[in-house]
Amino acid sequence: AQKVTQAQTEISVVEKEDVTLDCVYETRDTTYYLFWYKQPPSGELVFLIRRNSFDEQNEISGRYSWNFQKSTSSFNFTITASQVVDSAVYFCALSAYVNDYKLSFGAGTTVTVRA
Amino acid sequence: NAGVTQTPKFQVLKTGQSMTLQCAQDMNHEYMSWYRQDPGMGLRLIHYSVGAGITDQGEVPNGYNVSRSTTEDFPLRLLSAAPSQTSVYFCASRLRGLLGQETQYFGPGTRLLVL
Repeated sequence: AQKVTQAQTEISVVEKEDVTLDCVYETRDTTYYLFWYKQPPSGELVFLIRRNSFDEQNEISGRYSWNFQKSTSSFNFTITASQVVDSAVYFCALSAYVNDYKLSFGAGTTVTVRA
Repeated sequence: NAGVTQTPKFQVLKTGQSMTLQCAQDMNHEYMSWYRQDPGMGLRLIHYSVGAGITDQGEVPNGYNVSRSTTEDFPLRLLSAAPSQTSVYFCASRLRGLLGQETQYFGPGTRLLVL
């Protein structure tokens, strides 16, 4: 069975602060994919990143960065110098490498960035 | 391309009523799926399809039916609505390749309230 845990329900920061979202996963698969999605107040789901379990390199995209650590089954997400537009619900998700029809989502973390 | 479209955007039903949530995509995607989003639970897979004529159950299929007569459409039917089916429903689609290589596109969602 696959399980994704996002222990932080809500995070509130002031603009320009950094914010880190934790994601811990459980899977019996040796190969798998990890994802982050953003859901702004408008409600749509926006794909941010996917990472396969072969590749433990950290990734940076603009103000976003991701830290994948297979040893601790974590895939954390950091927003640097947060902006009001970053206010959203962020979901971490996991899929098997094969039989990958299903995404298992965490419960989500609501990030509020105050001006 | 319109991407993934869902209708209606919002619906109110009475307990016991039936209805169909529509999902269509114009990207010739083989894979389509339905998720429901509930507070504190992230998104959970209801049903999925890997091609026309082929459907299968996901994590929470009870109370829902699907069919896939064309590549473009993947309707979700509620046979006898219950208050527990109050949720936001998302349709998603992608090409046949590995989930780790093919981006999954989500529709804008349908908000359903069952009284």
